[in-house]
Amino acid sequence: GENVEQHPSTLSVQEGDSAVIKCTYSDSASNYFPWYKQELGKRPQLIIDIRSNVGEKKDQRIAVTLNKTAKHFSLHITETQPEDSAVYFCAASLLWGNQFYFGTGTSLTVIP
Amino acid sequence: NAGVTQTPKFRVLKTGQSMTLLCAQDMNHEYMYWYRQDPGMGLRLIHYSVGEGTTAKGEVPDGYNVSRLKKQNFLLGLESAAPSQTSVYFCATRQGQNTEAFFGQGTRLTVV
Repeated sequence: GENVEQHPSTLSVQEGDSAVIKCTYSDSASNYFPWYKQELGKRPQLIIDIRSNVGEKKDQRIAVTLNKTAKHFSLHITETQPEDSAVYFCAASLLWGNQFYFGTGTSLTVIP
Repeated sequence: NAGVTQTPKFRVLKTGQSMTLLCAQDMNHEYMYWYRQDPGMGLRLIHYSVGEGTTAKGEVPDGYNVSRLKKQNFLLGLESAAPSQTSVYFCATRQGQNTEAFFGQGTRLTVV
């Protein structure tokens, strides 16, 4: 199966700074890479996703980049705000797979 | 339109007791998943289903059983609960491969 590694496990940034979370995957057949945000006590919710036929995708302050050759993808949050504080999970899904595999999560704290 | 609903939200069990967690969805999704979330370990897949009447094992299936008799419901059973099964359990659904997953609100289970 797929192995997804996520770093860092915790991240603190000052409000207004950027935050970057990185994930690597092991199976070159993976082609779908979603990112989920989980606020304290809440359910994970999709914030952005990317498929292997594109290298970058943006949605306002959030962007995801994908390097298929190196098998890693990253989440970029610009102009961070206190409400961005949460746990972020990356995931990877194989082209013909029924499962998707999650990273271990990054706890982001934005300091006002 | 409730989306994905888990029952119960909280439960305390004694070692050796059994229980069933229910995941109900009104999104007409084919794929349903059960995950457990433990600190520092992300979301780990227990079992999943790709359609009514089907089930398959995930990463950590031992000690759990599942059934999908109706398309809208996915049940997770613990036959003889152990303290190691203390966790937060999430159900998720999605329409197909490489599509967004929607999560239930979670069930916090404590086994004493």
